[in-house]
Amino acid sequence: AQSVSQHNHHVILSEAASLELGCNYSYGGTVNLFWYVQYPGQHLQLLLKYFSGDPLVKGIKGFEAEFIKSKFSFNLRKPSVQWSDTAEYFCAVNAAGYSTLTFGKGTMLLVSP
Amino acid sequence: NAGVTQTPKFQVLKTGQSMTLQCAQDMNHEYMSWYRQDPGMGLRLIHYSVGAGITDQGEVPNGYNVSRSTTEDFPLRLLSAAPSQTSVYFCASRPPGQRTNTGELFFGEGSRLTVL
Repeated sequence: AQSVSQHNHHVILSEAASLELGCNYSYGGTVNLFWYVQYPGQHLQLLLKYFSGDPLVKGIKGFEAEFIKSKFSFNLRKPSVQWSDTAEYFCAVNAAGYSTLTFGKGTMLLVSP
Repeated sequence: NAGVTQTPKFQVLKTGQSMTLQCAQDMNHEYMSWYRQDPGMGLRLIHYSVGAGITDQGEVPNGYNVSRSTTEDFPLRLLSAAPSQTSVYFCASRPPGQRTNTGELFFGEGSRLTVL
């Protein structure tokens, strides 16, 4: 079965600090990987996705993620966070042979101005 | 296109009552699904459908029923509400024609359900 683990439940940063949110998945075969963001009071929106090819993927709002197959990881990064990045971030995996998307438990990011 | 539309946005039920959460999409998406979101638990899949007339269980199906009589609609029924079903429910769909199992989902705005 596919599963996702996010390392941090809560992260607090000051504006301009760098961000890295950890995500590990458990599935030995081909996977599609996603990061979604949920701003306060809103629904989930796609931040970025990895299907194949270049393991470094760039998403919206300056976010990027790196797929490291040997580590089963897909960590999210941003060089300099803004107050408006305050949100909950979800990593998700869709493994080959599965039609469903499995989410991690989420990481709540609070950016102080 | 309106996207994925959920109704109602808010609902309060008493234990034992039944209700239906509605989900409709106008994007001709074949795949539709229901998730519940609880603090510290992330999103957990309740039921999903890969097309009209086909439904399947997700991770937490107990206490919920679904049907898919049309491509557009995917209602979620609570048969006898329990306090443990207090949650925020999201409907999500996926476009057709993508590479198999690409998984990118489009979400509705959520339905907040409280069961007393």
